[in-house]
Amino acid sequence: GAVVSQHPSRVICKSGTSVKIECRSLDFQATTMFWYRQFPKQSLMLMATSNEGSKATYEQGVEKDKFLINHASLTLSTLTVTSAHPEDSSFYICSARGTTNTIYFGEGSWLTVV
Amino acid sequence: DAKTTQPPSMDCAEGRAANLPCNHSTISGNEYVYWYRQIHSQGPQYIIHGLKNNETNEMASLIITEDRKSSTLILPHATLRDTAVYYCIVNSQGGNEKLTFGTGTRLTIIP
Repeated sequence: GAVVSQHPSRVICKSGTSVKIECRSLDFQATTMFWYRQFPKQSLMLMATSNEGSKATYEQGVEKDKFLINHASLTLSTLTVTSAHPEDSSFYICSARGTTNTIYFGEGSWLTVV
Repeated sequence: DAKTTQPPSMDCAEGRAANLPCNHSTISGNEYVYWYRQIHSQGPQYIIHGLKNNETNEMASLIITEDRKSSTLILPHATLRDTAVYYCIVNSQGGNEKLTFGTGTRLTIIP
């Protein structure tokens, strides 16, 4: 199947700073990528749909100015958590639709804000 | 996306077949049934998907009822590494069609 890679896998940042998470499709081009957030013992919650070359579409209740998404190329989307606070600590996961239309997920990125 | 209903948890003995049910009574004609699983602290792993015919791959089999209102994922010989949360999702495969996750079934394989 298609491979989606995220970096970093774990990051700790200080409250008030910004942190960027990268999502790459390694062996295919992805015009659309999706960003999810998952809190402990909960299911995945879709945050936004990232479209190459255009603005991301955010789900209701997700602050677009806090969670900046950039999809500058067909293989890379980035999520920047701006002015991070402890409540933003979570597991962030990206996914992309492969050439067979199946959606594949990255390994996830653990964010801890201290 | 249409909603799906899954039991919250199941146990299965190691070496036995694990049968995970899913109800999707409001599925539309162009929606596929997808199964993913999530092992603790990892991203979801694609397992299998189907439209109306039964499907089989190296990981599992997918049985879809004739009316497409329910399906069953079968892991033929469960191992301890199959312990995970299994998600059944319906999706129409369009370019921007997103996967919406329910609560899934927590499958525990017992030695």
